[in-house]
Amino acid sequence: DTAVSQTPKYLVTQMGNDKSIKCEQNLGHDTMYWYKQDSKKFLKIMFSYNNKELIINETVPNRFSPKSPDKAHLNLHINSLELGDSAVYFCASSPTPLASNTGELFFGEGSRLTVL
Amino acid sequence: DAKTTQPNSMESNEEEPVHLPCNHSTISGTDYIHWYRQLPSQGPEYVIHGLTSNVNNRMASLAIAEDRKSSTLILHRATLRDAAVYYCILRSMNTGFQKLVFGTGTRLLVSP
Repeated sequence: DTAVSQTPKYLVTQMGNDKSIKCEQNLGHDTMYWYKQDSKKFLKIMFSYNNKELIINETVPNRFSPKSPDKAHLNLHINSLELGDSAVYFCASSPTPLASNTGELFFGEGSRLTVL
Repeated sequence: DAKTTQPNSMESNEEEPVHLPCNHSTISGTDYIHWYRQLPSQGPEYVIHGLTSNVNNRMASLAIAEDRKSSTLILHRATLRDAAVYYCILRSMNTGFQKLVFGTGTRLLVSP
């Protein structure tokens, strides 16, 4: 069983469309994250949720809206897609927020989004 | 966030030890040193972390300088599977919600 799973793995879409990426973790963790890795391979945090509550919200356009229906799931919805949104999006989880654990994040395999 | 500096790339031969350096001259006394690696087409994975003392685990060893301004990740016998980008990251132990800030890392190439 994959610990942190993301779907879809690949997503190709047109500018202006709305798309979602789903993430599920079966590790029983309380905290989940979304990271974005751009074409230059920089990996940047976007959001973090702890027990379904938003705890980290980096400077991300309002077009990006995370949703956590329960602590095992963290979905990312993107409205009005732009060319610059093309990237690999990684979901991750940790047992608790980083301040109170070893700092170990468990990452999914990534979802590659291509906006044409 | 305190900054780390790593070489862009390093090369190694299979079955040889690899020493990956990281400079963090602005580290504070409350910063942990973390190492992650990212294999091709995969998400990052945790390797090891430490505070002041050297650390060993099944994947690697972490040697931390006495002044904590630098550290070295040691892979004792490199395998082809160790070819990846290795990230050295500082994380504060202060309270509050935290994040891991990834730099550009070191790309390790392993030759047979």
